[in-house]
Amino acid sequence: KAGVTQTPRYLIKTRGQQVTLSCSPISGHRSVSWYQQTPGQGLQFLFEYFSETQRNKGNFPGRFSGRQFSNSRSEMNVSTLELGDSALYLCASSFTSAGEQYFGPGTRLTVT
Amino acid sequence: TQLLEQSPQFLSIQEGENLTVYCNSSSVFSSLQWYRQEPGEGPVLLVTVVTGGEVKKLKRLTFQFGDARKDSSLHITAAQPGDTGLYLCAGQETSGSRLTFGEGTQLTVNP
Repeated sequence: KAGVTQTPRYLIKTRGQQVTLSCSPISGHRSVSWYQQTPGQGLQFLFEYFSETQRNKGNFPGRFSGRQFSNSRSEMNVSTLELGDSALYLCASSFTSAGEQYFGPGTRLTVT
Repeated sequence: TQLLEQSPQFLSIQEGENLTVYCNSSSVFSSLQWYRQEPGEGPVLLVTVVTGGEVKKLKRLTFQFGDARKDSSLHITAAQPGDTGLYLCAGQETSGSRLTFGEGTQLTVNP
């Protein structure tokens, strides 16, 4: 069974631009969660989607948004990028909202 | 906000030594997961502990969940260079999916 895939793996953007990251969960998994990982803050929860509905949201500004499609694939969007948004963005999928989470390889976003 | 404190942050040991990593919280979690992460990659799930007092073994790794489900430990016996990596504990909220991560323990095992 294929694991969680994330595209692109690397991205360089300029301050003020916006970016969309994509995540395809493990087949059969309906929950997708997004996390931001930085050296200073570690791994922090962004939000979770289950059956196309946002179930849970972390403490991030409204510039961070997401959505989930009927095939469980998810996208995350960050608008008006700031230097501090540079991070590894990780997506995790699970069978149910409370299930074990399996992570993708991440998207490394660099904002210049 | 639930917090997880992980210690030590850094550990550098020689091949063959034993080590223990601790994960502590004042909050109760429905489960606790341990991950290992390599540079530039996503965390890989090692184990999930659910029941207070539970002990799980994965080859040379032993995981324990505290009786009150607030703390956990990871013990590695006879560490090998291949064990090198960032070890992360993560508590799952009783209400749903959110994982709260510890700061991580960067383990280096020298040959």
